[in-house]
Amino acid sequence: DAKTTQPTSMDCAEGRAANLPCNHSTISGNEYVYWYRQIHSQGPQYIIHGLKNNETNEMASLIITEDRKSSTLILPHATLRDTAVYYCIVRVLLNAGNMLTFGGGTRLMVKP
Amino acid sequence: KAGVTQTPRYLIKTRGQQVTLSCSPISGHRSVSWYQQTPGQGLQFLFEYFSETQRNKGNFPGRFSGRQFSNSRSEMNVSTLELGDSALYLCASSWDREGGELFFGEGSRLTVL
Repeated sequence: DAKTTQPTSMDCAEGRAANLPCNHSTISGNEYVYWYRQIHSQGPQYIIHGLKNNETNEMASLIITEDRKSSTLILPHATLRDTAVYYCIVRVLLNAGNMLTFGGGTRLMVKP
Repeated sequence: KAGVTQTPRYLIKTRGQQVTLSCSPISGHRSVSWYQQTPGQGLQFLFEYFSETQRNKGNFPGRFSGRQFSNSRSEMNVSTLELGDSALYLCASSWDREGGELFFGEGSRLTVL
C-alpha cells in the first residue's frame, strides 16, 4: 500500500484558506488520492479525489504535484464548522474493491 | 436521498457476548465495507462485500464476520466479545466504480464491559 504522511495538527484562522499537505511518495500510477474528513463522533465525509490533474468542487480544491508524490487540500474560506480531522488516503485497488487505508490524519482547528 | 443507515447507534455488551450490527447502504450502492475506529489504532478496514460476496478482508481475527443480503444490506457480527472490541464501527457504501467515493454512516458505538 502506498502510505501517506500528514502533519498531526494545524491551525487556521476563520475566513482564511486552509492548506493541508500530504506526502505520498510511493504512490503507483493507477492509485487515486482521496481526502476525507471526520468531524467529532461522526462518520468520515468524502471531500474530493484526484488522479493526476488538479480538482475542484464545492467543498475544496485538490492540488497534486506533477510527480504525484504530494498533494495539498485547500479549503478556500475556512469556517468553524471545518474543524475536523482530515485524512489523505491513497486508494488501493484490489480486484476493483473498495478498501481505504486511513493514516493518522491532520487535526485542523479553525479559530475565530 | 437517504444516506447510509447504521443500527443500533449505541450498545453496551459484556465480555464473552456476541453482537450484530446492521448497515443499510444508499439505494443502488452494491458495495458495503466495514471499518473499526479506536483511539489507539485509528480507522481500520474490516471487510468489504459486493453482491453478497466478501471481496476484501482486513487483518482481524475470525471472531469478526459479516454478510451481505440480496438487497445489499449488510450485517457484521463479533463473537466472544473482548474489552478491546470497544470501538466505533463504521459502514460505508459505494457505487463500485473506479475512483468512486465511499459514503459513510454515522457508526455504531460498541462498549464492552
